[in-house]
Amino acid sequence: SQQGEEDPQALSIQEGENATMNCSYKTSINNLQWYRQNSGRGLVHLILIRSNEREKHSGRLRVTLDTSKKSSSLLITASRAADTASYFCATGINTGNQFYFGTGTSLTVIP
Amino acid sequence: DTGVSQDPRHKITKRGQNVTFRCDPISEHNRLYWYRQTLGQGPEFLTYFQNEAQLEKSRLLSDRFSAERPKGSFSTLEIQRTEQGDSAMYLCASSHQTGSGNTIYFGEGSWLTVV
Repeated sequence: SQQGEEDPQALSIQEGENATMNCSYKTSINNLQWYRQNSGRGLVHLILIRSNEREKHSGRLRVTLDTSKKSSSLLITASRAADTASYFCATGINTGNQFYFGTGTSLTVIP
Repeated sequence: DTGVSQDPRHKITKRGQNVTFRCDPISEHNRLYWYRQTLGQGPEFLTYFQNEAQLEKSRLLSDRFSAERPKGSFSTLEIQRTEQGDSAMYLCASSHQTGSGNTIYFGEGSWLTVV
């Protein structure tokens, strides 16, 4: 079964706006990773946040993790048309050998 | 470093035929994963290797599926007697083991269409 669930399922915004996606999960995790996937392509790793971290930044990306609520959020600031893609969270449990993905958030950035 | 590479990128096969996919991980990555992804869904874990040892297998990996990593480098995923339900993208990923969580890097995937 898939552990992570992203919300919303689809998001459409204007270029320059910020996009926020959320991920909820069910069990304790070792770490959580966010990925981007363009249509028909493989997954591109964006950022990893460990269970003892609360926030991480990478360029225009900001990820938060709230282990008490079992949730994470991905914020993309100043969005660009090239950010149009599906975004997935993947939760690593136990020693992190397995990663469970949700069904993703489909982001459309309108130029 | 050329990343994770997968071959072939696309495969169309008739039901009942066998297919094999190959994955070359990032060099020196000791962990290798196989995932399956269908349209509109997230990737589903199939199996995982550490070096040449297959350490975990999902219930999704029926006895028609077999994966190997004979020398701890490249891996193959074979599907025997393919069924239409096997149509999906098969993703390979690799990582280097660390103590506090490891980033996994994916290849571009191998699309399988069973007709």
